[in-house]
Amino acid sequence: QQPVQSPQAVILREGEDAVINCSSSKALYSVHWYRQKHGEAPIFLMILLKGGEQKGHDKISASFNEKKQQSSLYLTASQLSYSGTYFCGTEIPGTYKYIFGTGTRLKVLA
Amino acid sequence: GAVVSQHPSRVICKSGTSVKIECRSLDFQATTMFWYRQFPKQSLMLMATSNEGSKATYEQGVEKDKFLINHASLTLSTLTVTSAHPEDSSFYICSALGGGNFNTDTQYFGPGTRLTVL
Repeated sequence: QQPVQSPQAVILREGEDAVINCSSSKALYSVHWYRQKHGEAPIFLMILLKGGEQKGHDKISASFNEKKQQSSLYLTASQLSYSGTYFCGTEIPGTYKYIFGTGTRLKVLA
Repeated sequence: GAVVSQHPSRVICKSGTSVKIECRSLDFQATTMFWYRQFPKQSLMLMATSNEGSKATYEQGVEKDKFLINHASLTLSTLTVTSAHPEDSSFYICSALGGGNFNTDTQYFGPGTRLTVL
């Protein structure tokens, strides 16, 4: 079953922060985060493999709460280049197949 | 990083014709590739898993006779949309599971192919 992301869409001013949530009704064994620009392929941001894991680079970070079956992506001091649609993805264990979340459209305004 | 290419990037065809889309891993060998379809403002939906040297496995609801997949080598998978109809118009994206020096837990995505069937 497809993970549900919230919010569906968000508009920010440059420099503002945002949080995108990804929730699943089934156990999550890993979480991948991607950003997709319109008409382009998704770009890999990061993968979280263990419950409680937190990762980040630049001003984008993520956490993974295995017990709550959810992950959150944190965008700090957003830049114009952060605009796009963000997808979480989870692997079906043992298959390498991904199920992608419903997506969150983020737009950063100058 | 790992590079995956797709060709063509855009294709427009008439209803009833067949269209072939190529997916190549340029700097690594990929025994497993995936094909996705994405409708406007929607998420990526997995269509099939392509394994080198064996038959593709299709997700529920995807017609294998309509979407023919061939994974002829460790760097090339092709998707052929047979007898395309307007409802097949979509953005088709392939991905390759990392190999060699690249993370084997990660799928690397091609740039996508925009198919428009008139």
